[in-house]
Amino acid sequence: NAGVTQTPKFRVLKTGQSMTLLCAQDMNHEYMYWYRQDPGMGLRLIHYSVGEGTTAKGEVPDGYNVSRLKKQNFLLGLESAAPSQTSVYFCASSLGGAVDTQYFGPGTRLTVL
Amino acid sequence: AQSVTQLDSHVSVSEGTPVLLRCNYSSSYSPSLFWYVQHPNKGLQLLLKYTSAATLVKGINGFEAEFKKSETSFHLTKPSAHMSDAAEYFCVVSDTQGGYNKLIFGAGTRLAVHP
Repeated sequence: NAGVTQTPKFRVLKTGQSMTLLCAQDMNHEYMYWYRQDPGMGLRLIHYSVGEGTTAKGEVPDGYNVSRLKKQNFLLGLESAAPSQTSVYFCASSLGGAVDTQYFGPGTRLTVL
Repeated sequence: AQSVTQLDSHVSVSEGTPVLLRCNYSSSYSPSLFWYVQHPNKGLQLLLKYTSAATLVKGINGFEAEFKKSETSFHLTKPSAHMSDAAEYFCVVSDTQGGYNKLIFGAGTRLAVHP
């Protein structure tokens, strides 16, 4: 049981490049989330999904897209990276909504030059 | 709208002494509250959560927190700090509008533990 895994762990991009971050969970959770963490701030929700085939915008969705084609995977895409997207990205999953515990992956550190 | 304020960005204690990490929240209804811990270069781990049951909540690794509605506080405590407690701690309030668990994070408190 690996929990929540994220690939890659580190990535450096040049402005304008694109990339996809992959999140996978093996807990059969319905809900999945993408957050970003910036210095001096808590985590902020980018996008989330309440089930396979669904996605919704969170607090800071601009510049990102997501897809949930399979229940266990949640992809975060950057179509044209900008320096403002330099951050640590965390994926999380939960069994249900409401007050169910969210389980977090180890994070992806992204630098955009 | 829900919000959470962590009153200290850094807390430093000696090993074996008590830990107090302060958190105040703002909510228009009875909230669910959480404390998460993040060790260096790791993901977040749930320490404890309050969901309108007992106001004193016990978590992992000897931590506990007390929900005080009159003070809108949810402070995290531990009687005796251990070196392994050094980490960043996040107080979190849950916004359940729309039927999903949207977490609103505080800015975090970095706990340092000295020998």
